[in-house]
Amino acid sequence: NAGVTQTPKFQVLKTGQSMTLQCAQDMNHNSMYWYRQDPGMGLRLIYYSASEGTTDKGEVPNGYNVSRLNKREFSLRLESAAPSQTSVYFCASSAQGHDEQYFGPGTRLTVT
Amino acid sequence: GESVGLHLPTLSVQEGDNSIINCAYSNSASDYFIWYKQESGKGPQFIIDIRSNMDKRQGQRVTVLLNKTVKHLSLQIAATQPGDSAVYFCAETKGNQAGTALIFGKGTTLSVSS
Repeated sequence: NAGVTQTPKFQVLKTGQSMTLQCAQDMNHNSMYWYRQDPGMGLRLIYYSASEGTTDKGEVPNGYNVSRLNKREFSLRLESAAPSQTSVYFCASSAQGHDEQYFGPGTRLTVT
Repeated sequence: GESVGLHLPTLSVQEGDNSIINCAYSNSASDYFIWYKQESGKGPQFIIDIRSNMDKRQGQRVTVLLNKTVKHLSLQIAATQPGDSAVYFCAETKGNQAGTALIFGKGTTLSVSS
């Protein structure tokens, strides 16, 4: 089992560029999440997907969109990147929403 | 507002000591709490969890205590080792709905010297 995988590991974007962060899990989990982590901060929820076919906003959704492509994959898209989106992005999954969440290794994004 | 926070941003201990990391939460409706460990450059890793119908839960070298009266959560690490050096986050959630997300505190950095 690979657990939760994320691609890419690192990315540098110019302001206004777009990109998609990919996340996949092989644990047959129902729920998936995208968080961002800024220096000295805890993780803040961007979007989540309680189950295949559903997505909901978290604490900081502005500037992002998500797609739950199938049960395994949950992608995060930045349509027009801004320097304020410079952060480390973590994807997570859980069997059900109220269970332990497993995290991926993160994507370090810099927007210049 | 609702938040989960930790009392101290850093904690330094000697190898072999017991460590106690504290966390205060403000939402009395929260009913599930988790401690995560995050090593540099990695994603958070689950340590232990506790539900609100319990006061104490033990794992391997770790114990979580929950005091709902004062909305306080603590993580105790016995015989702390250098490999325990990391940032520790508490997280809370409420409700029992699928997809309920976690609210994280800011974290405590534990440094273990040998």
